[in-house]
Amino acid sequence: AQSVTQPDIHITVSEGASLELRCNYSYGATPYLFWYVQSPGQGLQLLLKYFSGDTLVQGIKGFEAEFKRSQSSFNLRKPSVHWSDAAEYFCAVGARNTDKLIFGTGTRLQVFP
Amino acid sequence: DAGVTQSPTHLIKTRGQQVTLRCSPKSGHDTVSWYQQALGQGPQFIFQYYEEEERQRGNFPDRFSGHQFPNYSSELNVNALLLGDSALYLCASSFAGLWEGTQYFGPGTRLTVL
Repeated sequence: AQSVTQPDIHITVSEGASLELRCNYSYGATPYLFWYVQSPGQGLQLLLKYFSGDTLVQGIKGFEAEFKRSQSSFNLRKPSVHWSDAAEYFCAVGARNTDKLIFGTGTRLQVFP
Repeated sequence: DAGVTQSPTHLIKTRGQQVTLRCSPKSGHDTVSWYQQALGQGPQFIFQYYEEEERQRGNFPDRFSGHQFPNYSSELNVNALLLGDSALYLCASSFAGLWEGTQYFGPGTRLTVL
């Protein structure tokens, strides 16, 4: 079955600390992987995506993610978190030429000053 | 350039009623997808419209139906509302002519069923 697992429901970090949000997927075909961020009252905003090629992808707002096929993982990282990064983060998987995405349940990031 | 807009922002209905949610895609986009996001969950794909036809559908009952208009805007209709239909309904748009995997999401409509 196709699925996305985000093991961490809630993560708290101090401002300036590094961040890693975990994502594992189960997908029969070649996965197209995404990370979205959702702030309160806002829609989802795409942070980055991976289709093929270099397994380390750079996104907006200083985020990056690394695709590891052997571990079926696509973890999101940021070297130094800002208070404005507090939000809900969703990992998603899909296929080429389709907008139908399967989302994880999300990780809520809280940032302390 | 306006992004994806949705109306209304909030809606309260009672069980058994019907509801219509509206979405205007980002300028230049011709494909609209609808997602349901229950509290504490990730979005779930309901269906997608392109060229005024339903192109893909997720695992939702026939109570959920939609429509796309010639100007690419879309409606989501839900009949015989259940308490479990309470959720944030998100609309996303994209351009089918150049698939880049980037969908633009609207802020959503919060539906509460009492």
